[in-house]
Amino acid sequence: DTAVSQTPKYLVTQMGNDKSIKCEQNLGHDTMYWYKQDSKKFLKIMFSYNNKELIINETVPNRFSPKSPDKAHLNLHINSLELGDSAVYFCASSQGESAFFGQGTRLTVV
Amino acid sequence: QKEVEQNSGPLSVPEGAIASLNCTYSDRVSQSFFWYRQYSGKSPELIMSIYSNGDKEDGRFTAQLNKASQYVSLLIRDSQPSDSATYLCAVNPHDMRFGAGTRLTVKP
Repeated sequence: DTAVSQTPKYLVTQMGNDKSIKCEQNLGHDTMYWYKQDSKKFLKIMFSYNNKELIINETVPNRFSPKSPDKAHLNLHINSLELGDSAVYFCASSQGESAFFGQGTRLTVV
Repeated sequence: QKEVEQNSGPLSVPEGAIASLNCTYSDRVSQSFFWYRQYSGKSPELIMSIYSNGDKEDGRFTAQLNKASQYVSLLIRDSQPSDSATYLCAVNPHDMRFGAGTRLTVKP
Protein backbone atom coordinates (compact mmCIF):
# COMPACT_ATOMS: atom_id res chain seq x y z
CA ASP A 1 0.00 0.00 0.00
CA THR A 2 1.47 3.33 -1.06
CA ALA A 3 1.27 5.84 1.79
CA VAL A 4 1.51 9.02 -0.29
CA SER A 5 0.84 8.71 -3.99
CA GLN A 6 1.12 11.35 -6.70
CA THR A 7 0.04 11.29 -10.29
CA PRO A 8 1.40 11.65 -12.85
CA LYS A 9 5.02 10.71 -12.24
CA TYR A 10 6.18 12.52 -15.36
CA LEU A 11 4.58 15.49 -17.10
CA VAL A 12 5.90 17.14 -20.25
CA THR A 13 3.94 20.09 -21.55
CA GLN A 14 4.26 23.25 -23.57
CA MET A 15 4.53 26.76 -22.23
CA GLY A 16 1.20 28.40 -21.62
CA ASN A 17 -0.66 25.17 -20.88
CA ASP A 18 -2.58 24.41 -17.68
CA LYS A 19 -1.88 21.18 -15.80
CA SER A 20 -2.77 19.47 -12.55
CA ILE A 21 -0.94 17.11 -10.23
CA LYS A 22 -2.90 14.92 -7.83
CA CYS A 23 -1.89 13.66 -4.41
CA GLU A 24 -3.51 11.25 -2.03
CA GLN A 25 -2.39 9.92 1.36
CA ASN A 26 -3.80 6.95 3.24
CA LEU A 27 -1.96 7.60 6.49
CA GLY A 28 -4.77 9.52 8.15
CA HIS A 29 -2.52 12.58 8.52
CA ASP A 30 -4.04 16.02 9.04
CA THR A 31 -1.31 18.02 7.27
CA MET A 32 -0.31 17.89 3.64
CA TYR A 33 2.33 19.84 1.74
CA TRP A 34 3.51 20.69 -1.71
CA TYR A 35 7.23 21.15 -2.24
CA LYS A 36 9.18 22.17 -5.30
CA GLN A 37 12.66 20.74 -5.83
CA ASP A 38 14.75 22.54 -8.41
CA SER A 39 17.78 21.31 -10.34
CA LYS A 40 20.03 22.18 -7.40
CA LYS A 41 18.00 19.83 -5.19
CA PHE A 42 16.70 22.57 -2.91
CA LEU A 43 13.37 21.44 -1.48
CA LYS A 44 11.23 24.54 -1.09
CA ILE A 45 7.86 24.52 0.62
CA MET A 46 5.02 25.94 -1.46
CA PHE A 47 1.82 25.21 0.43
CA SER A 48 0.72 23.58 3.63
CA TYR A 49 -2.81 22.41 4.38
CA ASN A 50 -4.14 21.26 7.71
CA ASN A 51 -7.41 19.36 7.62
CA LYS A 52 -8.38 20.95 4.28
CA GLU A 53 -7.52 24.48 5.43
CA LEU A 54 -4.68 26.46 3.84
CA ILE A 55 -2.05 27.17 6.50
CA ILE A 56 0.96 28.30 4.53
CA ASN A 57 1.16 29.93 1.17
CA GLU A 58 4.75 30.81 0.49
CA THR A 59 5.78 33.32 -2.12
CA VAL A 60 4.45 31.36 -5.03
CA PRO A 61 2.99 32.87 -8.21
CA ASN A 62 -0.78 32.87 -8.14
CA ARG A 63 -0.68 30.68 -11.25
CA PHE A 64 -0.29 27.89 -8.69
CA SER A 65 -3.52 26.97 -6.94
CA PRO A 66 -3.80 24.12 -4.46
CA LYS A 67 -7.10 22.44 -3.72
CA SER A 68 -7.93 20.07 -0.91
CA PRO A 69 -11.33 18.38 -1.35
CA ASP A 70 -10.74 16.39 1.85
CA LYS A 71 -7.88 15.86 4.23
CA ALA A 72 -6.60 12.84 2.31
CA HIS A 73 -6.19 14.74 -0.96
CA LEU A 74 -4.22 17.79 -2.00
CA ASN A 75 -4.08 18.66 -5.67
CA LEU A 76 -1.98 21.29 -7.40
CA HIS A 77 -3.22 23.15 -10.45
CA ILE A 78 -0.81 25.28 -12.46
CA ASN A 79 -2.01 27.82 -15.02
CA SER A 80 -0.04 29.31 -17.90
CA LEU A 81 3.02 27.15 -17.38
CA GLU A 82 6.42 28.78 -17.79
CA LEU A 83 9.87 27.32 -18.48
CA GLY A 84 10.92 28.15 -14.92
CA ASP A 85 8.20 25.89 -13.55
CA SER A 86 10.21 22.86 -14.66
CA ALA A 87 11.14 20.96 -11.50
CA VAL A 88 10.18 17.97 -9.42
CA TYR A 89 7.09 18.57 -7.31
CA PHE A 90 6.69 16.53 -4.15
CA CYS A 91 3.58 16.02 -2.12
CA ALA A 92 4.05 15.10 1.53
CA SER A 93 1.93 14.47 4.60
CA SER A 94 2.61 14.61 8.32
CA GLN A 95 0.90 14.28 11.65
CA GLY A 96 2.79 16.93 13.60
CA GLU A 97 6.18 15.33 13.23
CA SER A 98 8.13 13.92 10.33
CA ALA A 99 6.83 14.15 6.79
CA PHE A 100 6.27 11.28 4.38
CA PHE A 101 6.80 11.99 0.72
CA GLY A 102 5.19 10.88 -2.49
CA GLN A 103 7.38 9.69 -5.35
CA GLY A 104 7.41 13.11 -6.99
CA THR A 105 6.18 14.50 -10.30
CA ARG A 106 8.85 15.58 -12.75
CA LEU A 107 7.39 18.50 -14.66
CA THR A 108 9.13 19.60 -17.83
CA VAL A 109 7.90 22.69 -19.62
CA VAL A 110 9.10 23.03 -23.21
CA GLN B 1 19.64 34.39 6.58
CA LYS B 2 18.22 31.11 5.32
CA GLU B 3 15.97 29.26 7.73
CA VAL B 4 17.96 26.04 7.50
CA GLU B 5 21.56 25.95 6.31
CA GLN B 6 23.72 22.93 5.62
CA ASN B 7 27.47 22.67 5.10
CA SER B 8 28.24 23.02 1.46
CA GLY B 9 29.15 19.89 -0.38
CA PRO B 10 29.81 17.75 -2.06
CA LEU B 11 31.38 15.60 0.63
CA SER B 12 33.49 12.62 -0.31
CA VAL B 13 34.74 10.01 2.17
CA PRO B 14 36.40 6.61 1.75
CA GLU B 15 34.50 3.47 2.60
CA GLY B 16 34.66 2.75 6.32
CA ALA B 17 35.26 6.37 7.33
CA ILE B 18 32.99 8.64 9.36
CA ALA B 19 30.91 11.13 7.39
CA SER B 20 29.91 14.29 9.25
CA LEU B 21 27.00 16.41 8.06
CA ASN B 22 26.11 19.71 9.69
CA CYS B 23 23.07 21.95 9.82
CA THR B 24 22.12 25.23 11.50
CA TYR B 25 18.67 26.76 11.82
CA SER B 26 17.38 30.23 12.54
CA ASP B 27 13.98 29.74 14.24
CA ARG B 28 14.56 29.30 17.98
CA VAL B 29 11.06 27.92 18.55
CA SER B 30 11.92 24.83 16.49
CA GLN B 31 11.32 21.67 18.47
CA SER B 32 11.66 18.86 15.95
CA PHE B 33 14.66 18.07 13.79
CA PHE B 34 15.06 15.49 11.08
CA TRP B 35 17.56 14.04 8.67
CA TYR B 36 16.34 12.75 5.34
CA ARG B 37 18.25 10.80 2.74
CA GLN B 38 17.47 11.25 -0.94
CA TYR B 39 18.87 8.97 -3.60
CA SER B 40 19.09 10.35 -7.11
CA GLY B 41 15.70 10.33 -8.78
CA LYS B 42 13.91 9.24 -5.61
CA SER B 43 11.90 10.95 -2.91
CA PRO B 44 13.33 11.96 0.48
CA GLU B 45 13.10 9.28 3.17
CA LEU B 46 13.38 9.85 6.89
CA ILE B 47 16.45 8.32 8.54
CA MET B 48 16.68 10.13 11.90
CA SER B 49 14.61 12.39 14.10
CA ILE B 50 15.78 14.17 17.25
CA TYR B 51 13.87 16.38 19.67
CA SER B 52 16.08 16.99 22.71
CA ASN B 53 19.65 18.14 23.23
CA GLY B 54 22.36 15.52 23.03
CA ASP B 55 23.01 12.50 20.90
CA LYS B 56 20.66 9.94 19.45
CA GLU B 57 22.07 6.77 17.94
CA ASP B 58 20.43 4.39 15.48
CA GLY B 59 22.76 1.77 14.06
CA ARG B 60 25.55 3.50 12.17
CA PHE B 61 23.78 6.87 12.37
CA THR B 62 24.10 9.39 15.22
CA ALA B 63 22.18 12.64 15.30
CA GLN B 64 23.41 15.43 17.57
CA LEU B 65 21.36 18.42 18.66
CA ASN B 66 22.43 21.61 20.40
CA LYS B 67 19.48 23.99 20.71
CA ALA B 68 21.54 26.74 22.35
CA SER B 69 23.78 26.85 19.30
CA GLN B 70 20.87 26.09 16.94
CA TYR B 71 22.89 23.28 15.48
CA VAL B 72 22.10 19.73 14.45
CA SER B 73 24.45 17.20 12.90
CA LEU B 74 24.46 13.69 11.51
CA LEU B 75 27.37 11.28 11.81
CA ILE B 76 27.54 8.18 9.66
CA ARG B 77 30.01 5.62 10.98
CA ASP B 78 31.59 2.92 8.82
CA SER B 79 30.34 4.67 5.69
CA GLN B 80 29.28 2.38 2.86
CA PRO B 81 28.97 3.11 -0.88
CA SER B 82 25.20 2.60 -0.43
CA ASP B 83 25.22 5.69 1.82
CA SER B 84 26.03 7.83 -1.23
CA ALA B 85 23.07 10.20 -1.51
CA THR B 86 21.97 13.73 -0.74
CA TYR B 87 21.24 14.31 2.95
CA LEU B 88 18.62 16.88 3.83
CA CYS B 89 18.29 18.53 7.20
CA ALA B 90 14.72 19.47 8.14
CA VAL B 91 13.40 21.60 10.97
CA ASN B 92 9.80 21.79 12.12
CA PRO B 93 8.87 24.96 14.00
CA HIS B 94 5.36 25.08 12.48
CA ASP B 95 5.88 23.21 9.26
CA MET B 96 8.68 21.24 7.61
CA ARG B 97 11.55 23.43 6.33
CA PHE B 98 14.51 21.90 4.55
CA GLY B 99 18.12 22.83 4.03
CA ALA B 100 19.67 22.76 0.58
CA GLY B 101 21.14 19.31 1.17
CA THR B 102 24.66 17.92 1.21
CA ARG B 103 25.65 15.41 -1.43
CA LEU B 104 27.70 12.59 0.07
CA THR B 105 29.82 10.19 -1.97
CA VAL B 106 31.39 7.17 -0.31
CA LYS B 107 34.22 5.78 -2.41
CA PRO B 108 35.02 2.04 -2.29
